Amino acid sequence: ILNVEQSPQSLHVQEGDSTNFTCSFPSSNFYALHWYRWETAKSPEALFVMTLNGDEKKKGRISATLNTKEGYSYLYIKGSQPEDSATYLCAFHTGTASKLTFGTGTRLQVTL
Amino acid sequence: GAGVSQSPSNKVTEKGKDVELRCDPISGHTALYWYRQSLGQGLEFLIYFQGNSAPDKSGLPSDRFSAERTGGSVSTLTIQRTQQEDSAVYLCASSPPGGVNQPQHFGDGTRLSIL
Repeated sequence: ILNVEQSPQSLHVQEGDSTNFTCSFPSSNFYALHWYRWETAKSPEALFVMTLNGDEKKKGRISATLNTKEGYSYLYIKGSQPEDSATYLCAFHTGTASKLTFGTGTRLQVTL
Repeated sequence: GAGVSQSPSNKVTEKGKDVELRCDPISGHTALYWYRQSLGQGLEFLIYFQGNSAPDKSGLPSDRFSAERTGGSVSTLTIQRTQQEDSAVYLCASSPPGGVNQPQHFGDGTRLSIL
C-alpha cells in the first residue's frame, strides 16, 4: 500500500496571509508528483506536475517544491485570496505507466 | 476546446439496480481513469486504461464493478446490484500521451445516490 500523507488536513487563513502545506510520499520508485486544486462544485484542476528532485514550479501566487530523496513536496500560496479557497490534492506515480495515488487533501479556507 | 464530459451528472437509484456511468475523454487523450469520492473520503482510484494495453483494474472494490473503453475513446463504468455504500461522486479523468509527466483533466463527475 502506497501512502500519500497531506498536512494539515484543513487550514483557515485571512486574506493576504501566505501559507504552505505538505505532501509526503514514499521516496522509492518515484516517477512524478502532481498537485491539483479542487474547488467546491467544480472538477479538480491540475496545478503542477513535478518529476525532478529539487524541482520548483510557479503559477502566479502559487509555487511548489519537490524533494524526492526525502519524499516530500511543499505547496506555497503567497498573499492568499478568497478565490484560493479549495482543497489542494497531491498525487504521485510510481511507474511510467501507473495510476496516480492521491492524498486526502488540505482544505484551505481564506476569509476577508 | 471540449473538456472531459461525464453523464449523467446526477443519478438516484434504488438498491439492487444496475447503473451505467459514461465518460467521454478529451479527443487524443490516450489514458483514461475512473475515481470515486465517498463522503468524507479522498479520491479513490478505481480503474485505468492506457491505449490498447490491458486496463489496471486493481482499484475496483468488488466484482459488481466493471468498466470498458470502446475504440480507445468513450468509457462506461457499470455497477451491478448497487448497494448503499456505492453512493459517491464518480470522477473520470483523461491525459494526453507522454506518460506520467502529463496532468490529468477531470470531468465534473456523476453524483450517485443509492436509496
